[in-house]
Amino acid sequence: QKEVEQNSGPLSVPEGAIASLNCTYSDRGSQSFFWYRQYSGKSPELIMFIYSNGDKEDGRFTAQLNKASQYVSLLIRDSQPSDSATYLCAVNGGHYNQGGKLIFGQGTELSVKP
Amino acid sequence: DAEITQSPRHKITETGRQVTLACHQTWNHNNMFWYRQDLGHGLRLIHYSYGVQDTNKGEVSDGYSVSRSNTEDLPLTLESAASSQTSVYFCASSPLAGGTDTQYFGPGTRLTVL
Repeated sequence: QKEVEQNSGPLSVPEGAIASLNCTYSDRGSQSFFWYRQYSGKSPELIMFIYSNGDKEDGRFTAQLNKASQYVSLLIRDSQPSDSATYLCAVNGGHYNQGGKLIFGQGTELSVKP
Repeated sequence: DAEITQSPRHKITETGRQVTLACHQTWNHNNMFWYRQDLGHGLRLIHYSYGVQDTNKGEVSDGYSVSRSNTEDLPLTLESAASSQTSVYFCASSPLAGGTDTQYFGPGTRLTVL
């Protein structure tokens, strides 16, 4: 079983719609959860991180965490063509106090159609 | 501005040659990481370091080595390059825990082994 799982996609949504990206993880001890965006040929860049159960909003982005279900999601409201990228879910995989390792999912490719 | 850089950005080498990829960060981060990214595998951790003189193996460390002689640099060495090591390599860094363990990525090195 993969430690962090994402649907590889591609996920296609029309411009202005809500894009929903999902991620499940296997390690119940995980404490930190991250969403990175990666444009083709570029390096991953951080969008959001979340530590506590519930929702965290930042502009058009909302991260949702449910530790009981071992599930984290990213919602992108009012999707724009510039949001077209691969979205990587990452989970803290090491000892938290050491600013530890992250385990990455394979990424979900998002395509926003004008 | 503080940053993380990698060099070279592109490298073509031959099977059996030793190759060193450089990673340099100016954030004074204690933690540094090396990943490879291949289609279908996402980001996989090669080696990581939590400080000077500290190095640790990741999930795909065979054929690679690192050394950490100062805070700023974590060079990755391929002892005897193999075609299976053709990949895109990313270096990342994160601050010592206490805050978020967010990792910040360099621009990547595309390595081709012929």
